[in-house]
Amino acid sequence: DAKTTQPTSMDCAEGRAANLPCNHSTISGNEYVYWYRQIHSQGPQYIIHGLKNNETNEMASLIITEDRKSSTLILPHATLRDTAVYYCIVHSGAGTALIFGKGTTLSVSS
Amino acid sequence: EPEVTQTPSHQVTQMGQEVILRCVPISNHLYFYWYRQILGQKVEFLVSFYNNEISEKSEIFDDQFSVERPDGSNFTLKIRSTKLEDSAMYFCASSEVKFYSNQPQHFGDGTRLSIL
Repeated sequence: DAKTTQPTSMDCAEGRAANLPCNHSTISGNEYVYWYRQIHSQGPQYIIHGLKNNETNEMASLIITEDRKSSTLILPHATLRDTAVYYCIVHSGAGTALIFGKGTTLSVSS
Repeated sequence: EPEVTQTPSHQVTQMGQEVILRCVPISNHLYFYWYRQILGQKVEFLVSFYNNEISEKSEIFDDQFSVERPDGSNFTLKIRSTKLEDSAMYFCASSEVKFYSNQPQHFGDGTRLSIL
């Protein structure tokens, strides 16, 4: 089973920031927090990952709490194309399985 | 940007027949994976592969499944005798190997397998 808890769905207005929360209270010291998204039936798309520091790339920012028990994915200016299912996953290392939960369905509207 | 490619995009097969799904991972990646997603359900891990060996497999990956890297670029999933419940999207993924660093898995767009 997935080690993370996410809201089932969220709405966001186009152009606004989307903040997607994730709880991972049982995360181990060597586990990273990963975010993926899946648009319709396409393959999961990697967004960002981090261990304990906040991370930013061209797609999003990842804020991890100091105790590492929760995190937030931030899409700074959501567009209609960001409508997707977003998955928060804790993952320990190369060659091991990504365990997908049900994720958060983000709906961006104009 | 390099990507994982999968062929065919859609495969229709009669129950009981063998099927081979093909993937070309990203060229400098050394870990390869297969996942599946039954319509309306979660993405499920099947198997990971490294250095010509299975690294990890799930309970789903039973004796009817096998994986192979037949040459330097392809990675295949074979289902020996397909069942109706094998109908799903099958995703291939690959990741780099960098020691002391956790690298993301990158996914292809999948093969939709329909068993009749």
